[in-house]
Amino acid sequence: GAGVSQTPSNKVTEKGKYVELRCDPISGHTALYWYRQSLGQGPEFLIYFQGTGAADDSGLPNDRFFAVRPEGSVSTLKIQRTERGDSAVYLCASSWGLTDTQYFGPGTRLTVL
Amino acid sequence: QKEVEQNSGPLSVPEGAIASLNCTYSDRGSQSFFWYRQYSGKSPELIMFIYSNGDKEDGRFTAQLNKASQYVSLLIRDSQPSDSATYLCAVRPGANSKLTFGKGITLSVRP
Repeated sequence: GAGVSQTPSNKVTEKGKYVELRCDPISGHTALYWYRQSLGQGPEFLIYFQGTGAADDSGLPNDRFFAVRPEGSVSTLKIQRTERGDSAVYLCASSWGLTDTQYFGPGTRLTVL
Repeated sequence: QKEVEQNSGPLSVPEGAIASLNCTYSDRGSQSFFWYRQYSGKSPELIMFIYSNGDKEDGRFTAQLNKASQYVSLLIRDSQPSDSATYLCAVRPGANSKLTFGKGITLSVRP
């Protein structure tokens, strides 16, 4: 079956611009997670959703980052006023429930020039 | 101290050898432990999970957990060149769903 999909696969933007990253979870998965991975590091938690609500957003680095999941399926991670330090691979994962295995999407590589 | 530490690496073993990958964690309340494999330029792929103290075997892979020592390891038997990748240890606290990852260990299996 289809796995987690993320679009775009690559995004190059200029400092100060706004970007949106999209995640389409595995069908039926109620939990959705966003992580960020910098070169040579493990993924770093940003936020997770159970259904439509953000259950834990403690990993969002500052108020420039925001994520939504309005219908409990697709999620969008939004970054305002991008900075060069935001450059990383943004990974999305989904699971059936909060204690189940998380399956990762291919990621979006964000480059801020 | 980082929450999840993977300090040994990079690791290089000959084909057919046993590769041993280690991980320590700081949160004693952690309940679930995962090993993900990540090929260069790809996303993490789950290999093993373990919840209880002791060993758990799946094919050539064995995960070992010692909660008293806050230590989890992954053994890969009969290592193959296709096992060459970065191995990420991840820990999930009991009351929260998010995963905390180590920085990973890069394994190279020499033909």
